Amino acid sequence: GQNIDQPTEMTATEGAIVQINCTYQTSGFNGLFWYQQHAGEAPTFLSYNVLDGLEEKGRFSSFLSRSKGYSYLLLKELQMKDSASYLCAVMDSNYQLIWGAGTKLIIKP
Amino acid sequence: GAVVSQHPSRVICKSGTSVKIECRSLDFQATTMFWYRQFPKKSLMLMATSNEGSKATYEQGVEKDKFLINHASLTLSTLTVTSAHPEDSSFYICSARDFGETEAFFGQGTRLTVV
Repeated sequence: GQNIDQPTEMTATEGAIVQINCTYQTSGFNGLFWYQQHAGEAPTFLSYNVLDGLEEKGRFSSFLSRSKGYSYLLLKELQMKDSASYLCAVMDSNYQLIWGAGTKLIIKP
Repeated sequence: GAVVSQHPSRVICKSGTSVKIECRSLDFQATTMFWYRQFPKKSLMLMATSNEGSKATYEQGVEKDKFLINHASLTLSTLTVTSAHPEDSSFYICSARDFGETEAFFGQGTRLTVV
C-alpha cells in the first residue's frame, strides 16, 4: 500500500530551527510537496522536490532522498506565525497526491 | 501563483437540504479539479478527481450520488452535497491543476455545518 509518515506534533522555540521529517512508500514517484496549513484554512504551497538534494527558499528549505524515500522540511529563524500544520504529499505514478497526516508545529516564545 | 476561488467559505444548512460549493480558477485553465474533505486534525482525504468535460472519478467509499461533481468548463467545478446530514459536516477543499503541470492550487475551503 501507499504510506506517508510524518510526526504528529513538534514543539520549537521562536528564533530556533526545526526539521520536520517525512518518509514515504508509494507506487511510483513524481515529486514531493510540502504545504503549510493554518487552522481552518486551505493548505498553501511551500516547496516541490523531484530530484535529490536541498532546495532553499528563504527561511524554508526542503530536502529529498529518493533512494531512502525520505524528505525533510527545515524551518529557520522560527516566527510565531510559523505555528501551523505542515503536510507532506507525494505525487505517485498516476500523478495523484498521496497525503501525510500532517505535523502540527507549535512555536513557543 | 495561480488563484483558485472557492465559495462559500462557510455555510450552515438544515439536514435534508442540498448545498453547492463552487471552485473557480481565475487565471489559468483548470483541466483537472480535485475535491478533498478534511476532518479536524486529520489529513486531506481525496473524494474525487474530475477532468473538464468528463465524469468525475470517485475514490472508494465516496458516494457519487450524494456528492455530485460537475466540471463543465475549464474554469469552474462544483460539488453539491445532496440531502445533507450532520455527519457531512466537514471542511471541503478544492484544488485545480492545468494540463501538463504538476502543481495544483487550492481554493480557500468551505466549512459546511449541517444542523
